[in-house]
Amino acid sequence: SAVISQKPSRDICQRGTSLTIQCQVDSQVTMMFWYRQQPGQSLTLIATANQGSEATYESGFVIDKFPISRPNLTFSTLTVSNMSPEDSSIYLCSVSGLRGETQYFGPGTRLLVL
Amino acid sequence: AQTVTQSQPEMSVQEAETVTLSCTYDTSESDYYLFWYKQPPSRQMILVIRQEAYKQQNATENRFSVNFQKAAKSFSLKISDSQLGDAAMYFCAYTGANSKLTFGKGITLSVRP
Repeated sequence: SAVISQKPSRDICQRGTSLTIQCQVDSQVTMMFWYRQQPGQSLTLIATANQGSEATYESGFVIDKFPISRPNLTFSTLTVSNMSPEDSSIYLCSVSGLRGETQYFGPGTRLLVL
Repeated sequence: AQTVTQSQPEMSVQEAETVTLSCTYDTSESDYYLFWYKQPPSRQMILVIRQEAYKQQNATENRFSVNFQKAAKSFSLKISDSQLGDAAMYFCAYTGANSKLTFGKGITLSVRP
């Protein structure tokens, strides 16, 4: 499986600010995803990061709040914009191959918004 | 839409004993995959085991095995010879044609020394 890293691993931010989370993979992958895990909850898919085109967002998530970039097959960023305390969560990226059947996860970014 | 149900919020097992975690799912697809992921306090999501729906044989990975009952849409995880390092949150997950993962709510497993 690919080695996946995320930066930052954790951060504490003030409300109204924005934070960009990076996801880097050590090999080219077809699909990249971003998830949110609120405290004590399961994972919820935010969007699929598409290389060279706009991300595909799930219901309840919008591009203005969670802009995503994917400039190549090994890197993606997720920005959490205009943050509020409700955005305090763990944000995880995942990757999968061409068929998309198995996803492997990065270590996650723990975000606390004050 | 596909759903994944983990009805037990938490379980406890004695070290070296065996424990089974339950999961049921609902889908109209015939080709899909099922997974168990482990999330320790470090929050890293670790793939434990994977089952292809078209395979009748239950998947096994060392001390971890599944009981896949396709007709009943049941997918339980058995952990043998439990170790202290097995203590974590365990998530059952499903993926089908759209390649998106649907997760259950998770179960917290504690291991008693």
